[in-house]
Amino acid sequence: DIQMTQSPSSLSASVGDRVTITCRASQSITGYLNWYQQKLGKAPKLVIYAASRLHSGVPSRFSGSGSGTDFTLTISSLQPEDFATYFCQQSYSTPYTFGQGTKLEIK
Amino acid sequence: EVQLVESGGGLVQPGRSLRLSCAASGFTFEDYAMHWVRQAPGKGLEWVSGISSNSGYIGYVDSVKGRFTISRDNAKRSLYLQMNSLRAEDMALYYCARGGIYRGYDSSHFDYWGQGALVTVSS
Repeated sequence: DIQMTQSPSSLSASVGDRVTITCRASQSITGYLNWYQQKLGKAPKLVIYAASRLHSGVPSRFSGSGSGTDFTLTISSLQPEDFATYFCQQSYSTPYTFGQGTKLEIK
Repeated sequence: EVQLVESGGGLVQPGRSLRLSCAASGFTFEDYAMHWVRQAPGKGLEWVSGISSNSGYIGYVDSVKGRFTISRDNAKRSLYLQMNSLRAEDMALYYCARGGIYRGYDSSHFDYWGQGALVTVSS
C-alpha cells in the first residue's frame, strides 16, 4: 500500500497568513494527489484534485502543486473559515490512502 | 445540487451484519464511480471500497475483503455496503462519496460526500 505522510500534523496561524502543508507519498503517484478540508462534525470537502486542479466553488486562495512523491497545499491568505483539518489522498492505486491530517488552528 | 444521503447505520453486536445504503440525487448516477470511506471516532479517513459506474470494477481495502460487499442499483440511484462479521475495529462513521472525473476518466478523487452513517459495534 502507498503510505501518505503529511507535515506538519498541526499548525497555528493567523488570519491573513500564507500557509503551506506538505504531503509525501511512499512511492511515485505521478499527479494523482487530492486535498480535502474537514471541519469538526462535518463531512470532508474536496479542495484540490489532480495535484493542482481547484474543485468547483473553492476560493482561488487555495492552490496545490507537486508531482511524483512530494506535494503541497498552499493557502495564500488565511480566512476565518479556513481553520479546519486538511487531508491529502492518493488516487494512483488501490487501496486509496489518506495522510493522517493537518489541523490548522487559529493563533 | 449533488446530494448523497446514507442510511442503515446503528448499533450491532460483534459478528453480526449491517447493510448501509446511499441515495443519490442531483446528478446522473450511472455515469459515476462511487465509494465508501470511513472515519473512526477522532481518527483519520480510510477508503473502504469503490465500484465503477457499471459495476465492472470493484475494490476493497484488505481489512474488509471477504466480509464487506459493495453494490449499486443504477435504476434506483443507490449505493450499498453489506457488512458481515463486523468487528470492533469496523466502528466508524461511513461516508458515501462520488468518484470524480478528470479528463473524461474516473480519477478516484471524491468530489461529493454524504453526511455519513454511524456504525457502532459493541456487545
